[in-house]
Amino acid sequence: TQLLEQSPQFLSIQEGENLTVYCNSSSVFSSLQWYRQEPGEGPVLLVTVVTGGEVKKLKRLTFQFGDARKDSSLHITAAQPGDTGLYLCAGAPVQGAQKLVFGQGTRLTINP
Amino acid sequence: DAGVTQSPTHLIKTRGQQVTLRCSPISGHKSVSWYQQVLGQGPQFIFQYYEKEERGRGNFPDRFSARQFPNYSSELNVNALLLGDSALYLCASSFPAGGSYEQYFGPGTRLTVT
Repeated sequence: TQLLEQSPQFLSIQEGENLTVYCNSSSVFSSLQWYRQEPGEGPVLLVTVVTGGEVKKLKRLTFQFGDARKDSSLHITAAQPGDTGLYLCAGAPVQGAQKLVFGQGTRLTINP
Repeated sequence: DAGVTQSPTHLIKTRGQQVTLRCSPISGHKSVSWYQQVLGQGPQFIFQYYEKEERGRGNFPDRFSARQFPNYSSELNVNALLLGDSALYLCASSFPAGGSYEQYFGPGTRLTVT
């Protein structure tokens, strides 16, 4: 069974601080997605990383895929209250059903 | 452009009843997947359908079933509801391209079993 472990599960910081969320597994994934989910809504795709070592930037968010394609990180610079939400990483297995394996999520709160 | 739509938004059922949830994918997307998200956890894969055929099934009991129609919309059925089936049921559509498996989610159906 492929698992993705996210850490931390909860994070509460002040506006303007930087933070990093980690997503780790012992399994290799063909790609990894990061989603953000608001209460009562479905996850919204932020980014997909496919190549080991790949780095993608989305404004103040930086996403990295590990060289071995087993882990990923999300770094937010100068966090803002609008960044508050549940961040989910999800991996696509190398073989098998076209499904996503999700981490348990990181609930991020940015305090003004 | 319309995103993934799901109906109903909320649903309250009693233990032992049956429920049908509906999903319409993004136009042009031929693959639909269903996920269950229990409060405080990440989504768990239930089914994936592509071109009306089941292409994947998660670790869920046979009480869960689904189908996809010629217009690529989909239904998820759950029989003999249990309290533990209370969750947000998410539908996601994708257009397989290069194996990236990017999936786009609908707003979900909140099912409460009493």
